[in-house]
Amino acid sequence: GENVEQHPSTLSVQEGDSAVIKCTYSDSASNYFPWYKQELGKGPQLIIDIRSNVGEKKDQRIAVTLNKTAKHFSLHITETQPEDSAVYFCAASQVNDMRFGAGTRLTVKP
Amino acid sequence: GAVVSQHPSWVICKSGTSVKIECRSLDFQATTMFWYRQFPKQSLMLMATSNEGSKATYEQGVEKDKFLINHASLTLSTLTVTSAHPEDSSFYICSARTGANVLTFGAGSRLTVL
Repeated sequence: GENVEQHPSTLSVQEGDSAVIKCTYSDSASNYFPWYKQELGKGPQLIIDIRSNVGEKKDQRIAVTLNKTAKHFSLHITETQPEDSAVYFCAASQVNDMRFGAGTRLTVKP
Repeated sequence: GAVVSQHPSWVICKSGTSVKIECRSLDFQATTMFWYRQFPKQSLMLMATSNEGSKATYEQGVEKDKFLINHASLTLSTLTVTSAHPEDSSFYICSARTGANVLTFGAGSRLTVL
């Protein structure tokens, strides 16, 4: 089955700096790669996703890149703000199976 | 956008009792819903896939008699933790598919068993 690894487990940045979180996956059949943000005591919220036919996608301060050959994808957050502090999960999915990374706790210091 | 409503958001119960958690899709039909368990500072662990009108599919190692799942309508799936014990205390989250592979999650339910 699919195995998703996520790094780093914790990340601390200064407000205004960029943050990068990386994930690798094992199953070349995976074709959908979402990123979720989870705040304390809440359910995960989809923040951006990318499909296997696209190499990069951007939404304001958030971007995701995908390298299918290397089987890795990354989340980039620019101009970080304190409200970006949360746990971020990557996932890799085929039609009926989504597997999550272990999560990255991002802290943005004002 | 699509909303998945989960209730209750938190519940405290005595050991040996059963607790039911509801997951509703608002304004859309969900033939498939997913139930996850999340321990503190850990990732989401898929427990089971809930299919409307049929039996749920449980992941390996998840006790189907302990975690009863019912998906009787296109907008409601329920998870019942039977004869709960302190080790069942956890954060339970449901999700529904709202697009091609896209999952929308509920807000989660925190269960504390005394």
